[in-house]
Amino acid sequence: GAGVSQSPSNKVTEKGKDVELRCDPISGHTALYWYRQSLGQGLEFLIYFQGNSAPDKSGLPSDRFSAERTGGSVSTLTIQRTQQEDSAVYLCASSLETGSSYEQYFGPGTRLTVT
Amino acid sequence: AQSVTQLDSHVSVSEGTPVLLRCNYSSSYSPSLFWYVQHPNKGLQLLLKYTSAATLVKGINGFEAEFKKSETSFHLTKPSAHMSDAAEYFCVVSRENAGNMLTFGGGTRLMVKP
Repeated sequence: GAGVSQSPSNKVTEKGKDVELRCDPISGHTALYWYRQSLGQGLEFLIYFQGNSAPDKSGLPSDRFSAERTGGSVSTLTIQRTQQEDSAVYLCASSLETGSSYEQYFGPGTRLTVT
Repeated sequence: AQSVTQLDSHVSVSEGTPVLLRCNYSSSYSPSLFWYVQHPNKGLQLLLKYTSAATLVKGINGFEAEFKKSETSFHLTKPSAHMSDAAEYFCVVSRENAGNMLTFGGGTRLMVKP
């Protein structure tokens, strides 16, 4: 079956522009996670959704970052007024439910470069 | 708070020799621990997981890890390295009371020499 997909695979944007990153989870997965992988910070958690609700937004690095999920499926991560330090690979993962017994399946990521 | 420390950023072995990737964790809770692998230009793949059942956990591709509470360690091993094992490996701890968000170690790049 189809895995987690993310689009675009690569995005180059100018400093100050807004960007939207999309994640399509595995069908039927209620939990969805966003992570960021950068050279300086390694892999870090950003936000998760249980259904359409995001119980914990504390991982978002600044108020320029926001995310939403609609219909319990697709999620969009939006970065406003991008900065060079936002350059990273943004990873999305989904799992059947939250809980450590449920494996998180990762997408291939979106590589964001802010020039 | 919880954290994961991978003790080696790079490990180099010869093909056919054993692999040991070291990981120590810190967690206020009884932890769930994982090892993920990331091959170049590919997504993260789960190798194995420990969730308070057997302390010796077997994963895919011949890898296994042993949970040692007294040492707060979860080292990854494989008896005989293969060229295809060359990748980045991440030790991970999850927070069950926070939606199972994952905290990643810094990663260990495994190089396998012919």
